[in-house]
Amino acid sequence: SQQGEEDPQALSIQEGENATMNCSYKTSINNLQWYRQNSGRGLVHLILIRSNEREKHSGRLRVTLDTSKKSSSLLITASRAADTASYFCATVSPLAGGTSYGKLTFGQGTILTVHP
Amino acid sequence: DVKVTQSSRYLVKRTGEKVFLECVQDMDHENMFWYRQDPGLGLRLIYFSYDVKMKEKGDIPEGYSVSREKKERFSLILESASTNQTSMYLCASSLYLAGGPRFFGPGTRLTVL
Repeated sequence: SQQGEEDPQALSIQEGENATMNCSYKTSINNLQWYRQNSGRGLVHLILIRSNEREKHSGRLRVTLDTSKKSSSLLITASRAADTASYFCATVSPLAGGTSYGKLTFGQGTILTVHP
Repeated sequence: DVKVTQSSRYLVKRTGEKVFLECVQDMDHENMFWYRQDPGLGLRLIYFSYDVKMKEKGDIPEGYSVSREKKERFSLILESASTNQTSMYLCASSLYLAGGPRFFGPGTRLTVL
């Protein structure tokens, strides 16, 4: 099963409103990342938050991380029609013994639709 | 600006054909990845490479192989394509293997008939 699970599965809002997406995960992590995917395209990295950080901002994006609840949220403020996309969280688990690979596990994504 | 390119956006092949998907990155990244994306299953890692000629299996390597002869190029090979390999294939690269951001290509939508 996927490490990260996004909620809600789909979100529909009007331009100018804020959009909040949540991600829950099961095991301990090194960091958590958020990606955006426009329809039929590749993923674009938005923001990375480390396990010792609680909040991070990038432009209109605000990400929070609560490791005690194993959850993260992505807030997009003053949304625009161009923000319409799928948003994925991805968790990086601590390195397993003997390997240098930090596994990046993606959730199923939240489909955000912003109406003009 | 960071760039990962994939050889085809759309590809249609017949069952049993050998299929090559090419990926090129211009960021001098050591690490490259191949994922497939399917509805309801999310992104799943097929193979990754952390250096030229080095490769590691991901979560679903069966039916696939890879080749990394040059640092900038990572190829995914379907030795004998099957209908259950119809999917969106995404290539990515990263500077750090241990969990840094991935930079993705635009994807190749492969249909196997």
